[in-house]
Amino acid sequence: AQKITQTQPGMFVQEKEAVTLDCTYDTSDQSYGLFWYKQPSSGEMIFLIYQGSYDEQNATEGRYSLNFQKARKSANLVISASQLGDSAMYFCAMREPNYGGSQGNLIFGKGTKLSVKP
Amino acid sequence: NAGVTQTPKFRILKIGQSMTLQCTQDMNHNYMYWYRQDPGMGLKLIYYSVGAGITDKGEVPNGYNVSRSTTEDFPLRLELAAPSQTSVYFCASSYERANQPQHFGDGTRLSIL
Repeated sequence: AQKITQTQPGMFVQEKEAVTLDCTYDTSDQSYGLFWYKQPSSGEMIFLIYQGSYDEQNATEGRYSLNFQKARKSANLVISASQLGDSAMYFCAMREPNYGGSQGNLIFGKGTKLSVKP
Repeated sequence: NAGVTQTPKFRILKIGQSMTLQCTQDMNHNYMYWYRQDPGMGLKLIYYSVGAGITDKGEVPNGYNVSRSTTEDFPLRLELAAPSQTSVYFCASSYERANQPQHFGDGTRLSIL
């Protein structure tokens, strides 16, 4: 069963506007972590932000914030004041707890391609 | 600030050839991972290691082998390359704690012809 769903294959946003990238996840565990990564056209994977399942506040890192709605199992990434350099693929990933054989491995969604228009 | 270093960056192999993708990290991370990324897809875990001498299979291990003789190095071996192994391969490393992100290398773009 798919554990991370990113329903937006592609998104466009005007420069300086905010954009929300959707991510829903599926897990029966109470303890887990959610990560967002950025992959520019050059190909590297860049860590953006982390949200733990027990964190009471939504995570923020500069222009990035995570809209975490635990009951809905969603962890949407919000980018404020978009810049041209934000054009990239964005991946949501979930890390399940370390027990049994899982060892806390990341499970990735298929990604959303964000294009920022000048 | 080397982080995670992968070599080579690009490689073309013929069907049936073998090769080793190299990965080294200088952050003293115990956990290391190999992923593959097919076009338009997210990353899929091939193998991972939680420390020197300890490795385990991920989601798509068939056709690959790994070893972990040191904390720093985690090479990925392709035996009898097949066209289905054409992909971009990423190595990553992390600390043990669940809230720590994985740090990725720049990737190896591999084509099997």
